[in-house]
Amino acid sequence: GAGVSQSPSNKVTEKGKDVELRCDPISGHTALYWYRQSLGQGLEFLIYFQGNSAPDKSGLPSDRFSAERTGGSVSTLTIQRTQQEDSAVYLCASSSRGLTNTGELFFGEGSRLTVL
Amino acid sequence: GEDVEQSLFLSVREGDSSVINCTYTDSSSTYLYWYKQEPGAGLQLLTYIFSNMDMKQDQRLTVLLNKKDKHLSLRIADTQTGDSAIYFCAESSLSGSARQLTFGSGTQLTVLP
Repeated sequence: GAGVSQSPSNKVTEKGKDVELRCDPISGHTALYWYRQSLGQGLEFLIYFQGNSAPDKSGLPSDRFSAERTGGSVSTLTIQRTQQEDSAVYLCASSSRGLTNTGELFFGEGSRLTVL
Repeated sequence: GEDVEQSLFLSVREGDSSVINCTYTDSSSTYLYWYKQEPGAGLQLLTYIFSNMDMKQDQRLTVLLNKKDKHLSLRIADTQTGDSAIYFCAESSLSGSARQLTFGSGTQLTVLP
């Protein structure tokens, strides 16, 4: 498809396990974002990738969270030693605009993570 | 830091107008956005307004911006059941970093028949 693709759409895991969430941005989009959406909360910014620049990791809530983007395309968000408070919908978005112009963000459908 | 506030819920009757309000704190915001999230879907951009504008109209949607009060509203005319969704207000700041797209908590709009 032509949109942002995320997998898995649903993930149930046990506390303490590691999880990986994947995002395939729209082809040609240089900017990629990860947000977290918790019930009743706004979208919490996690991390931002722009081209080959160093990622902006200022939103990652703890060192259990990490993300990488290979070849400027697919991104993986990894959560180590998951905790119950990590339960949320993790949204990925991509954009064709650069750092100086926000432009429109195109969102995937999200990965719903439930930590038991 | 930047903060964006919205009420959590709004119910209207089909055919009535809906007004969703938002306040923000960053006076250097350059663009303000309204995104719509339907159940089980990602967010989609509905409309946006540049900070030097007071109003923008797009079919059934009217965006009003009061920059002095840092207040943004989205009016949906002739609201339909298909408009039921969560509406997010978002701002981007003049600092230019695309990461500074700050979202509100979202307003759940329910359209009653």
